[in-house]
Formats: sequence, C-alpha cells, structure tokens
Amino acid sequence: NAGVTQTPKFQVLKTGQSMTLQCAQDMNHEYMSWYRQDPGMGLRLIHYSVGAGITDQGEVPNGYNVSRSTTEDFPLRLLSAAPSQTSVYFCASSTEGSQYFGPGTRLTVT
Amino acid sequence: DAKTTQPTSMDCAEGRAANLPCNHSTISGNEYVYWYRQIHSQGPQYIIHGLKNNETNEMASLIITEDRKSSTLILPHATLRDTAVYYCIVRSYVGTSYDKVIFGPGTSLSVIP
Repeated sequence: NAGVTQTPKFQVLKTGQSMTLQCAQDMNHEYMSWYRQDPGMGLRLIHYSVGAGITDQGEVPNGYNVSRSTTEDFPLRLLSAAPSQTSVYFCASSTEGSQYFGPGTRLTVT
Repeated sequence: DAKTTQPTSMDCAEGRAANLPCNHSTISGNEYVYWYRQIHSQGPQYIIHGLKNNETNEMASLIITEDRKSSTLILPHATLRDTAVYYCIVRSYVGTSYDKVIFGPGTSLSVIP
C-alpha cells in the first residue's frame, strides 16, 4: 500500500511549455484533489474529483486541466506554464475519514 | 472561502498540553470538523475529525462545543516535532460523497524547549 504517489518530485519548465503532474493512489478512494502552495502561503484548491469521470473546479482552476478516467489516477495538466504557476503542488485522496496527501511536486517556471 | 477562523500563531512549552482553538460559527448540521497539520514543507497530515461528539486518537483529542460553533484540538504532551501549521476545516457530505476541502491560513504552533 503506497498511499498517494506523485511524480515528478521536482520540475523546471520554461514559460509556455506544457506538462502533466501525475498522481496515483492505491486505496480505492473516490475523492481526489489537487492543491498548490506558494512559498509562505496556505493551500489553495485547484480541481477536485468525487469519482471516475467526475471533476470540478476549486478556488484557482485557471491554467490547469484535470481528468479522472480511473479511480486510481488524477493527473493535473498545465496547458501553458507561466511564472505565476511556480509553486509546490500537492495531490490528495480521501474516503469518509481522513484525507491523505502526497509528498508534493516542486515546480519552477522560468 | 474557508468557513473557520483560527489564531495566526501560538506558542507552547515542550511537555505541556497544546490547546488550539477553532471557530466555525456557521457550521451546518451535516458538516464535520477536521484537523490537519503541515510540518515545514511536507504534505499535510490528517490528525482527527468529528461531528458532534468529542474524539480521541493516538495523536490528539478533539473537543467540540455543544452548539458546534467552536472546537479545540488538544495535543496532550507537545514535543518539538509538533511544531507545525495546524488547519481546522469543516467538510460536508453531499449526496454520496464529501464536498471539496478548502484550507484557511491555519495556526502556526511553535513548541518551545
């Protein structure tokens, strides 16, 4: 049982490039979500999903796309990276009880 | 918007109980109170949650007032490793699933030797 895994751990992008942050969980959780955390700030919800095929926007969805084709995976796509998207990205999954977070992806956009 | 208010920061002496308050005066009947913490730049860690009864686990105790408008997270014997940002969140069950989780700024707890 690996919990929530995220890849890559670190990434540097140039402005305008696109990429996908991967998130996977092996706990059969229906609910998954993506957050970003800027330096010295709190977590802000980007997108979330309550099950396969169902996604919805959070607080800061612009510039990001998500899809949920399986229960296990919830990738986050940056369409055209901007310096304002430099942040640490956390993926989480949850059931009726606790919410489990991945270790994060540190993204720098130059 | 986050539905809770917490003090920005608190200090606690090592070995003493840390009591972290949270105000959620607009909480509705189907909303649970959750507590998480984030140590340095790690991913947040679940601590405890409750609906209206007090709860205890190996990490902490959660005391919810009878009117459910506020709660207190208690770390019974704080250690230096408990230094972290603590988040209090309310979360509802919508249909067959939980609603989205919005974090506020939390309380930065410093445990002092």
